[in-house]
Parts: sequence; C-alpha cells; structure tokens
Amino acid sequence: DTAVSQTPKYLVTQMGNDKSIKCEQNLGHDTMYWYKQDSKKFLKIMFSYNNKELIINETVPNRFSPKSPDKAHLNLHINSLELGDSAVYFCASSPGLGNSPLHFGNGTRLTVT
Amino acid sequence: QQQVKQSPQSLIVQKGGISIINCAYENTAFDYFPWYQQFPGKGPALLIAIRPDVSEKKEGRFTISFNKSAKQFSLHIMDSQPGDSATYFCAASSTLSGSARQLTFGSGTQLTVLP
Repeated sequence: DTAVSQTPKYLVTQMGNDKSIKCEQNLGHDTMYWYKQDSKKFLKIMFSYNNKELIINETVPNRFSPKSPDKAHLNLHINSLELGDSAVYFCASSPGLGNSPLHFGNGTRLTVT
Repeated sequence: QQQVKQSPQSLIVQKGGISIINCAYENTAFDYFPWYQQFPGKGPALLIAIRPDVSEKKEGRFTISFNKSAKQFSLHIMDSQPGDSATYFCAASSTLSGSARQLTFGSGTQLTVLP
C-alpha cells in the first residue's frame, strides 16, 4: 500500500491554466506538507498543515492555494500557471510537529508550456 | 539565503570506496540534523539523523559525524555500492513557533558509485 500518494504523476499544461494536485496519506499522520523541487533538485517547503490547520506558509505566490479537507488529504491548487512553476511538487506527511521523519510521496512533475 | 550549505554537488566513487558529503550551517537554533536519500522518480526518504548532543551516529554503512563548534556535519558511506547511487540531502530542523518545526534542506549531492 502506498503511504503517501499523489495524483497526477505528470501534469503538462499551458500558461494561464488552473490545475490541482491531490495528495492522500494513509499513515494516520497529523501533519502534511507541500515541497517544491526545482530543476537543480533544490527542495523548498511551501506549506505545512497540522490537523487541517495551516502552520507554515512560506513566501509562495498567492496563486498557490493549499486545501486540507481532512487530515489525510492536502491538495494544492495553482491558478494562472506560469513557466516558472515548472518543477516537481512533493507532498509529505509526518506523525506530528516534532522531529518526526517526513514521508514523501513520489512527486508530481509539472510542466508549463 | 541558503541556510544549509552542502558539498560537493556531485560525487563519483568506485565500488567499495568511501563517500563523504559535507554540510555546514549558520543558524544555531538548528537542533536536529537528518539526511535524506532520493532515487530517481521517487521522493526523498529519511536515511539517518543526529542530534547535536552527540558527535557521531552510525547505522550500518552510514555514519554521521557532527562538529557543533564548527557548525558542520557530514555523511560517510562506507563500502559504497552501486545501489547507493542517489541524491543525498542534508537537512536541519528548528522550532518555528510553539511546537511547530521547520526543516531546511541542503542543495543535494548526486552520488554515483561505479561498479
């Protein structure tokens, strides 16, 4: 069973479109995250939710909006996509707010043309 | 502003050799230092982690060395194997507010172990 699953795995879209990436974890974790990995493989946190409450909101354009319908799901909606949004987006979860290991999904490769 | 500096960017090692990846940090609020391993097409996975109250932690062929005064830590992979070929990320964690913590990653090292 996949612990942290993201859909879709690949997403190719044109500039200006709106798209969503879904994430679900079946680990019973309280905290979920979105990370962005750029073409140089640099990993940067975007958002973190704990029990459906936003706790980390890094300097991310407000075109990016996370939504957590319940603590097992954290979706990412992106409006008005730009070329610079092309990257791999990783969802992750952890048991709590402490130094718990992050469990990452396998990523969604977003390509904006 | 890169809070955790990682080097080298890429590393090629012969099978059986020792792979060494180094990281340095400035923020003294960091108090937990994990390493993550990432294979192509997969998400990063926790490999090994250390707290600053110990100078070394070993798990199998993987060892973290930690120098608190120098604010440096490194990953040593002994008897490197082709299956170790992956991207390795060091990271550092600090308290954000209350019990919330934030993990900052280094820039990654692409390790290739030649057969």
